[in-house]
Amino acid sequence: TQLLEQSPQFLSIQEGENLTVYCNSSSVFSSLQWYRQEPGEGPVLLVTVVTGGEVKKLKRLTFQFGDARKDSSLHITAAQPGDTGLYLCAVFKAAGNKLTFGGGTRVLVKP
Amino acid sequence: DAGITQSPRHKVTETGTPVTLRCHQTENHRYMYWYRQDPGHGLRLIHYSYGVKDTDKGEVSDGYSVSRSKTEDFLLTLESATSSQTSVYFCAISSTPTGGNNEKLFFGSGTQLSVL
Repeated sequence: TQLLEQSPQFLSIQEGENLTVYCNSSSVFSSLQWYRQEPGEGPVLLVTVVTGGEVKKLKRLTFQFGDARKDSSLHITAAQPGDTGLYLCAVFKAAGNKLTFGGGTRVLVKP
Repeated sequence: DAGITQSPRHKVTETGTPVTLRCHQTENHRYMYWYRQDPGHGLRLIHYSYGVKDTDKGEVSDGYSVSRSKTEDFLLTLESATSSQTSVYFCAISSTPTGGNNEKLFFGSGTQLSVL
């Protein structure tokens, strides 16, 4: 069982539609990060959420941290082909600066 | 962009042969990491380093060893490659020089390794 469970694993939508991806766990975290990875490249940090219930917006992307700090969601409004990629949630486990990732959600936005 | 270079970018090798992947950074940051990425598993930590000659195991370290003789270089070695080690390997560094405070990581562009 993975520490972070992401759903769905794959999402294919048309340009202009909205989508939500989820990152769930039974553990409580002090913070949670979302990364986006494009083909042939490494992941790049989008946002870090820290406070339970926190909502952060990055243009058309809205990130929410659950009240109990066990889960998070990423909502994309009016998706564009440029939003295509692998979205990964991640947390730091205890000490040592070690980042643990969920399995990822692959998003395909078709023109 | 963080100065992280992975080499080679692609490699095909045969089962049983040794393979070494190199990660080079120009940032002089303390923490460096090796991850592998497989479909459905996200990225999984193999080994990490918190300084020259200071390394520790991650969650999937069996069959891998690492070395860090200089701050800028972190080497990952597969002593005897197996087909299960076919994967994409990513190097990462902490985003600050000293790291250790759970900041974000910067990633290299990856090495595609195929073991036949």
